[in-house]
Amino acid sequence: GQQVMQIPQYQHVQEGEDFTTYCNSSTTLSNIQWYKQRPGGHPVFLIQLVKSGEVKKQKRLTFQFGEAKKNSSLHITATQTTDVGTYFCAGKDGNKLVFGAGTILRVKS
Amino acid sequence: DGGITQSPKYLFRKEGQNVTLSCEQNLNHDAMYWYRQDPGQGLRLIYYSQIVNDFQKGDIAEGYSVSREKKESFPLTVTSAQKNPTAFYLCASSIGTGGEQFFGPGTRLTVL
Repeated sequence: GQQVMQIPQYQHVQEGEDFTTYCNSSTTLSNIQWYKQRPGGHPVFLIQLVKSGEVKKQKRLTFQFGEAKKNSSLHITATQTTDVGTYFCAGKDGNKLVFGAGTILRVKS
Repeated sequence: DGGITQSPKYLFRKEGQNVTLSCEQNLNHDAMYWYRQDPGQGLRLIYYSQIVNDFQKGDIAEGYSVSREKKESFPLTVTSAQKNPTAFYLCASSIGTGGEQFFGPGTRLTVL
């Protein structure tokens, strides 16, 4: 079945530094979704990318879908303490989503 | 307010007992899902349902059972056959399968 790998597993940054998490799939994805889970909370949908090479921005967050539709990235510019949490990517596999293991982001103020 | 509710938030059970986790949604979504999350790990799919009276096994269905008698409800039973049931359980729903998922607050199950 489809596998979605996500790196890094963990990142600790100084407030104001940038952060990037990468997602790679073993197969071509029809779309990819990103979720954020705050500590002690539940995952919340951030965005969905569908088109090859697509780039979408949400304030300081930039999401990118690779040309081959097998990889994706989430970049946060100038991190803030409110960005802490775990970021998951998820690829569509038939009627379900396959989630990556997530990247835990910690921000030092 | 529209959303997904899970109860209880924390649940403790003795080893060998079955336990049922509740999941209710008033979003009028057709698809519902159950995930298990272990510390520092991602979400693993237990069961999902695309429509009432129908459900499919996910990646880790052994030791779990579900029912979907109503569109709004998708309860999960953790049976005594589940070898390591202590985990955080998340329920989710979506308009259609494979689309944006809305998650409930989760139930943290501890088996003593």
